Amino acid sequence: ETGVTQSPTHLIKTRGQQVTLRCSSQSGHNTVSWYQQALGQGPQFIFQYYREEENGRGNFPPRFSGLQFPNYSSELNVNALELDDSALYLCASSYRRSGTSGSYNEQFFGPGTRLTVL
Amino acid sequence: AQSVTQPDIHITVSEGASLELRCNYSYGATPYLFWYVQSPGQGLQLLLKYFSGDTLVQGIKGFEAEFKRSQSSFNLRKPSVHWSDAAEYFCAVGAGNNDMRFGAGTRLTVKP
Repeated sequence: ETGVTQSPTHLIKTRGQQVTLRCSSQSGHNTVSWYQQALGQGPQFIFQYYREEENGRGNFPPRFSGLQFPNYSSELNVNALELDDSALYLCASSYRRSGTSGSYNEQFFGPGTRLTVL
Repeated sequence: AQSVTQPDIHITVSEGASLELRCNYSYGATPYLFWYVQSPGQGLQLLLKYFSGDTLVQGIKGFEAEFKRSQSSFNLRKPSVHWSDAAEYFCAVGAGNNDMRFGAGTRLTVKP
């Protein structure tokens, strides 16, 4: 069984640029959630994707967007990068049964992508 | 709004000593509660979860947590800490809108 993987491991961008982060979900999982973890803080929920559609969003601006593909892998895109976007971005996958809330199933986290914005 | 508070930013315990990490939550309905551990450079690993039923929950690595509705708490405990337990610990609550709210974390240092 393959766990959650994320790429790249580290990334350095400059303010105003755009970035795409990738996540491969664990085998058998159909839901992907993205979190931002700033230094010294707990993860903050960005959004969740279920069956290729956004299925819940935290308090993040529209320049944070995502995609989920038919194989349940996912991308997180951030446009117009700001210095405060520097953080560890975590992806988590889970299996959600139809008709249940995805938030309450066990989420398996990837190792994260460390994004630095200069 | 749903929220989680971990009052202790940093705790130091001696190896072999008991451990209790505090977690208080604010949530209008029956909460879904979690404890995760994060080692440096790693993702989050689930230690245990509470959805319903028995208020004392057993987890991996010898950890347990007790849900106390009257105190809005879900404290994590371990009777004897090992040096390998040194890490960052996060309490989280399953909230509406399909998200999880995490506390700011408690960093655990284990003295030899």
